[in-house]
Amino acid sequence: GNSVTQMEGPVTLSEEAFLTINCTYTATGYPSLFWYVQYPGEGLQLLLKATKADDKGSNKGFEATYRKETTSFHLEKGSVQVSDSAVYFCALSDEVYSGGGADGLTFGKGTHLIIQP
Amino acid sequence: KAGVTQTPRYLIKTRGQQVTLSCSPISGHRSVSWYQQTPGQGLQFLFEYFSETQRNKGNFPGRFSGRQFSNSRSEMNVSTLELGDSALYLCASSSALLAGGSKETQYFGPGTRLLVL
Repeated sequence: GNSVTQMEGPVTLSEEAFLTINCTYTATGYPSLFWYVQYPGEGLQLLLKATKADDKGSNKGFEATYRKETTSFHLEKGSVQVSDSAVYFCALSDEVYSGGGADGLTFGKGTHLIIQP
Repeated sequence: KAGVTQTPRYLIKTRGQQVTLSCSPISGHRSVSWYQQTPGQGLQFLFEYFSETQRNKGNFPGRFSGRQFSNSRSEMNVSTLELGDSALYLCASSSALLAGGSKETQYFGPGTRLLVL
């Protein structure tokens, strides 16, 4: 079955540090890949996505590149801010449908990011 | 456009009771998916509805059910509540323009936090 693996943390960085959160996946077919962010007490917000190999998703200074050869979708940001403190989820949506309907997103466990001033 | 809305935001129930949660998707979105988020299991797919039909279901017992109305609003119901049902229940909608629709981006609501005592 499908699976997503990411470091759980917490990951603690100082403001303006470089961020990398690793994400690797296992899937049949050619999935779409997503990063969602969850702030305390809130639901999930889509951060970025990529739908095919070598695509780069980007938003708010965050970037991730769909690497089919390494089955990875690592999240990066050049200079983090305190306001980036949140939980980040890597997720995939498989191309292969069962029963003709959406199989739902498969999520990693989430990475808790703490940015200190 | 208004985002996905969920009501109520917080709920406290006792074991054995039943509960109904409501979700209103983004206007024009026809697909609604439900997820359960717990600290131990993370985010897990419950089911997805499209045009009032359940198209797919995750690995949850029959106590978890749902429905979708002609205006795409959805409800989920949990009967005979157990302590382990305490969780954040998230609803997500997508436009599902493609057949199956699981590769469409899903947009999440703020969630309903259910506490079972």
